[in-house]
Amino acid sequence: EDQVTQSPEALRLQEGESSSLNCSYTVSGLRGLFWYRQDPGKGPEFLFTLYSAGEEKEKERLKATLTKKESFLHITAPKPEDSATYLCAADPSNDYKLSFGAGTTVTVRA
Amino acid sequence: DGGITQSPKYLFRKEGQNVTLSCEQNLNHDAMYWYRQDPGQGLRLIYYSQIVNDFQKGDIAEGYSVSREKKESFPLTVTSAQKNPTAFYLCASSMVSQPQHFGDGTRLSIL
Repeated sequence: EDQVTQSPEALRLQEGESSSLNCSYTVSGLRGLFWYRQDPGKGPEFLFTLYSAGEEKEKERLKATLTKKESFLHITAPKPEDSATYLCAADPSNDYKLSFGAGTTVTVRA
Repeated sequence: DGGITQSPKYLFRKEGQNVTLSCEQNLNHDAMYWYRQDPGQGLRLIYYSQIVNDFQKGDIAEGYSVSREKKESFPLTVTSAQKNPTAFYLCASSMVSQPQHFGDGTRLSIL
């Protein structure tokens, strides 16, 4: 069964304190790994797609990386506006359904 | 602007009542999806549709029904058979194997 696990569940950071979020996945042939940002009361907003091990994508203070078993979302020098829940989702090659992790809620204090 | 519109934003259901959540997209996407989000859990797939007039059950379809009569519309009905309907419902659309784009959700509560 496809499974995606995110850790930690919650992360409290001081402004400027860099950290990383983990997304471990077990799927039957990964077609793509997606990262989303979700603000309270809103739908997830697409951030990145990663397709193969070793691939990296960057957007402002965020950088996503992919290995054969996990993905990391690195937040460099975060600001309070980076506070959100970050979701990852695995797209298996043998199905049209994504498997979502439960998310990591990041709080950045000024 | 292209996007996905969900309505209403908040919905209240009385016991024994069916309610319908609306989802409209103008992105010309073939596939549409309905998810349920509960605190501390990942998004769980209720139904999905890859083409007009066709849809498949997801992981938690019991107590829900859908239709896909038009490419841009994918309404979800929460029936009285769904005994625990209180949740945040999200609609998404995509081209096949492309990232899904989400609406801003409908929060359903029981009166």
